[in-house]
Amino acid sequence: DVKVTQSSRYLVKRTGEKVFLECVQDMDHENMFWYRQDPGLGLRLIYFSYDVKMKEKGDIPEGYSVSREKKERFSLILESASTNQTSMYLCASSVYMGSYNEQFFGPGTRLTVL
Amino acid sequence: AQTVTQSQPEMSVQEAETVTLSCTYDTSENNYYLFWYKQPPSRQMILVIRQEAYKQQNATENRFSVNFQKAAKSFSLKISDSQLGDTAMYFCAHYSGAGSYQLTFGKGTKLSVIP
Repeated sequence: DVKVTQSSRYLVKRTGEKVFLECVQDMDHENMFWYRQDPGLGLRLIYFSYDVKMKEKGDIPEGYSVSREKKERFSLILESASTNQTSMYLCASSVYMGSYNEQFFGPGTRLTVL
Repeated sequence: AQTVTQSQPEMSVQEAETVTLSCTYDTSENNYYLFWYKQPPSRQMILVIRQEAYKQQNATENRFSVNFQKAAKSFSLKISDSQLGDTAMYFCAHYSGAGSYQLTFGKGTKLSVIP
């Protein structure tokens, strides 16, 4: 089974802190994604990476950065956390199935910024 | 750009009954994929069912089936014989095909199965 893990299920940080959210996948997938999930807004793509050291902005990249130094690990960084970044963060990885990419999700990190 | 609309924020169904979740989408492409994902409370999101746009036959996975109407750009999910474990958020998603990495998600429908 594909396994996507995230470093924390729950995280509480203070405004202005630098926050790292880590995601690891064990299936050698090329592509990895970070989403933000908010009630009534669904999932919105923050950043994705299609290869080591490669990254692309998603729909809402402002206030976030990412790092992918190894194929299995994709980190989301909040340089200076703000209260409006309180949210559920979902990581995913995907594999090409011949004609489409199937995404597999981690359990999510619920971040609260005080 | 693709958009996916789920017009029912919340729904409920009695155990053992059938429920249909609605999804409409907008795309200019002819070949694409559509998905329904399930997110149970405090658990990981998993893929429920997938439909390829060029296939006319509606996809089925056990108690889950879709009604895919390409011309109307509609992709509804039918859950038969609802079970308590079907209680979850359900997300409809669109994938545009070759060369694309991204899924576009709807805002979700919260389904509660009532005993």
